Amino acid sequence: QSVLTQPPSASGTPGQRVTISCSGSSSNIGSNYVYWYQQLPGTAPKLLIYRNNQRPSGVPDRFSGSKSGTSASLAISGLRSEDEADYYCAAWDDSLSDNWVFGGGTKLTVL
Amino acid sequence: QVQLVQSGAEVKKPGASVKVSCKASGYTFTSYGISWVRQAPGQGLEWMGWISAYNGNTNYAQKLQGRVTMTTDTSTSTAYMELRSLRSDDTAVYYCARGRDLTDAFDIWGQGTMVTVSS
Repeated sequence: QSVLTQPPSASGTPGQRVTISCSGSSSNIGSNYVYWYQQLPGTAPKLLIYRNNQRPSGVPDRFSGSKSGTSASLAISGLRSEDEADYYCAAWDDSLSDNWVFGGGTKLTVL
Repeated sequence: QVQLVQSGAEVKKPGASVKVSCKASGYTFTSYGISWVRQAPGQGLEWMGWISAYNGNTNYAQKLQGRVTMTTDTSTSTAYMELRSLRSDDTAVYYCARGRDLTDAFDIWGQGTMVTVSS
């Protein structure tokens, strides 16, 4: 059971806009930055969004992140076949265990 | 270019130990830390801990305390993760990932090392 909650799957057709949600609590998303990682099949994760809504260089502006309270979301516009991947949200957790927590991942299918 | 290159796949018996290496290149090793993240087959990501390459300070995930040790060798820009008393549920791909500090993004990842624990 992951600390952050994501839908297990999402889908869209090429050109569509899809959003993936990530729900947490006051000790993680509510008080710290949210990060998003993209994991293409058979590869290591890659940083997609940092500090809630910042894109590393090289990440297309089709990807955007937002945060409100204890929830966050990743939006992908102009969906492309190469966006088919697993997406994970992550945040630092200030609770007693004091560590990084991840969502369970959302598998995005481009129909 | 900035990269992390990890050691090869390992097969271990229950109760044994494994030590995975992660060699950094293309940046100043001591200006960042290294986190270790694992992924069991078909499962999500689990953070294991972090080590500062600057001063060797560590922060381990509570569930692994006592079984994991992270170290660095600044002379070779290499980070190591040793996991002891291996169990079948430790079977996973182990990733190293660079982070500016403990709570910063994992901006560069290694290619992963498959560790299989089986009798």
